[in-house]
Amino acid sequence: NAGVTQTPKFQVLKTGQSMTLQCAQDMNHEYMSWYRQDPGMGLRLIHYSVGAGITDQGEVPNGYNVSRSTTEDFPLRLLSAAPSQTSVYFCASGKRDAFFGQGTRLTVV
Amino acid sequence: SQQGEEDPQALSIQEGENATMNCSYKTSINNLQWYRQNSGRGLVHLILIRSNEREKHSGRLRVTLDTSKKSSSLLITASRAADTASYFCATDASWNNNDMRFGAGTRLTVKP
Repeated sequence: NAGVTQTPKFQVLKTGQSMTLQCAQDMNHEYMSWYRQDPGMGLRLIHYSVGAGITDQGEVPNGYNVSRSTTEDFPLRLLSAAPSQTSVYFCASGKRDAFFGQGTRLTVV
Repeated sequence: SQQGEEDPQALSIQEGENATMNCSYKTSINNLQWYRQNSGRGLVHLILIRSNEREKHSGRLRVTLDTSKKSSSLLITASRAADTASYFCATDASWNNNDMRFGAGTRLTVKP
């Protein structure tokens, strides 16, 4: 009964470093997505996937990569972290009645 | 650009009062959803209304949708302190129902 598991909860990166945010779901949802949430901006869609092997860009995809090798996992990769990527990141599973992870608070210094 | 825009940005009421939040969007949609976010937590789905529906109820929640005005409202009746949270509307455009966009949210404070 885990729902959506998102790790890590907190992360500090130096500019130029790379990292992967993990997201796993156990509800057998085909659709998964990644959002970033900034103060006063609401949530903005980064990438989404409609099934294993299929990904597409959202509103703010630059600087991020995703892959979907299995139905369960949808990792988000920051290729070369920049201070502008300081944000709270949410993974979601499902489209109608989406389930959200608890978020990753990322700081890039 | 964001699809949904909530109004007001912040709302403060007394326990027992009703709270109304509005959402306006820009393009034709398939569905509109409302979510709640408690401070520091992920979003929780509240209710979905389809583009061919005008009103929907769930417990103390009432959602209306006016596609001609491209707007929706969320009414929370008999509010409780536990309703204190941010509320977001989310829409998926009819031209791409895989792309779900959120507004900036309404911060609701219910005072006991």
